[in-house]
Amino acid sequence: KNEVEQSPQNLTAQEGEFITINCSYSVGISALHWLQQHPGGGIVSLFMLSSGKKKHGRLIATINIQEKHSSLHITASHPRDSAVYICAVRRRETSGSRLTFGEGTQLTVNP
Amino acid sequence: DTEVTQTPKHLVMGMTNKKSLKCEQHMGHRAMYWYKQKAKKPPELMFVYSYEKLSINESVPSRFSPECPNSSLLNLHLHALQPEDSALYLCASSPLGGSYEQYFGPGTRLTVT
Repeated sequence: KNEVEQSPQNLTAQEGEFITINCSYSVGISALHWLQQHPGGGIVSLFMLSSGKKKHGRLIATINIQEKHSSLHITASHPRDSAVYICAVRRRETSGSRLTFGEGTQLTVNP
Repeated sequence: DTEVTQTPKHLVMGMTNKKSLKCEQHMGHRAMYWYKQKAKKPPELMFVYSYEKLSINESVPSRFSPECPNSSLLNLHLHALQPEDSALYLCASSPLGGSYEQYFGPGTRLTVT
């Protein structure tokens, strides 16, 4: 079993829909990251969380440390949100900034 | 400047060639990383440099040779690669301490023929 599990693996939505991507992890962490990767490559860091909730524009990320679970929400989804969303954790016991990645969620938003 | 740049964007090389990938950042970050990413998979860590010294080598074959000539530059030298080494190679940087948040470059798409 992977230490970081994401669901769903694939998600198709219509423009304007509210989207939720989930991430569960089985290890103690010092931080959780949500990353976005568009086709063709580069990865953008969306959020880094160690507790509570963060909001940036139409994106909201929450984390429940006790339940070892995080969600990424996208409100009023748009075709430009189509990308792979990756959850990654920084394990508490490892040194520095090594990340453990989930397998990613492929999001497609249709117009 | 919050950007990590990588060159080239695309590289096609034969199995007998020697080539290098280059990564640069000017954010003052003292940790730099190389990742390899195959299609539809998450990135796999290859190497980490901390204060220009190699701190993590994830048992990467010696045909990949990293180099960190100064705090802003990271190179990955490639020699005698195999077709299965074809992948997206991502560079990242982060501060050491504090948030450790990683900033990724756009990647180099490598094809080995």
